[in-house]
Amino acid sequence: EAGVAQSPRYKIIEKRQSVAFWCNPISGHATLYWYQQILGQGPKLLIQFQNNGVVDDSQLPKDRFSAERLKGVDSTLKIQPAKLEDSAVYLCASSPLSRGTGGTYEQYFGPGTRLTVT
Amino acid sequence: RKEVEQDPGPFNVPEGATVAFNCTYSNSASQSFFWYRQDCRKEPKLLMSVYSSGNEDGRFTAQLNRASQYISLLIRDSKLSDSATYLCVVNRGATNKLIFGTGTLLAVQP
Repeated sequence: EAGVAQSPRYKIIEKRQSVAFWCNPISGHATLYWYQQILGQGPKLLIQFQNNGVVDDSQLPKDRFSAERLKGVDSTLKIQPAKLEDSAVYLCASSPLSRGTGGTYEQYFGPGTRLTVT
Repeated sequence: RKEVEQDPGPFNVPEGATVAFNCTYSNSASQSFFWYRQDCRKEPKLLMSVYSSGNEDGRFTAQLNRASQYISLLIRDSKLSDSATYLCVVNRGATNKLIFGTGTLLAVQP
């Protein structure tokens, strides 16, 4: 079974530039997550999609970050404009959870995109 | 105060040693608990779930104390390949939202 795919793997940009990351979840997984992991910290959830709807974006800095999952499959995360503090690894994860079941399911992570803002 | 707190380490132990990691969480409504492992420059991967009755998987034992809001992971007979960061993770419930601790770095020395 193919895992979660992400691209690019590495990106270096200057502050105030824009950047976009792409994620393709495991086939059939309804839920997709974007996390930000700053060096020395654990991953922090930015946004969670259930199919093409947003379940939780409470920690997404909406003035500069946006994300979409238009067809309920792959997703893009965009930062515009980038700041130095956005330097981090951006992890995408997916799970087969359907909202409302009350259950919890393992989240499978992609390899991440390492962003450096200079 | 962070919702999930861990000692960041590093823990430097010799091969064959037993090592224990502890974690506390602040949200009493948390419903499920996990340990994830993250190798250097890799993605996190689920190591094991944690149940109130305690559970074991080979050399790894996890325990949960809901009253104290405390989670532990014990690794027996440490191997070089156990060197990694161990992330304590709490799931808040129906939306499957995971809250990660900062991780504890383990370095097993030959």
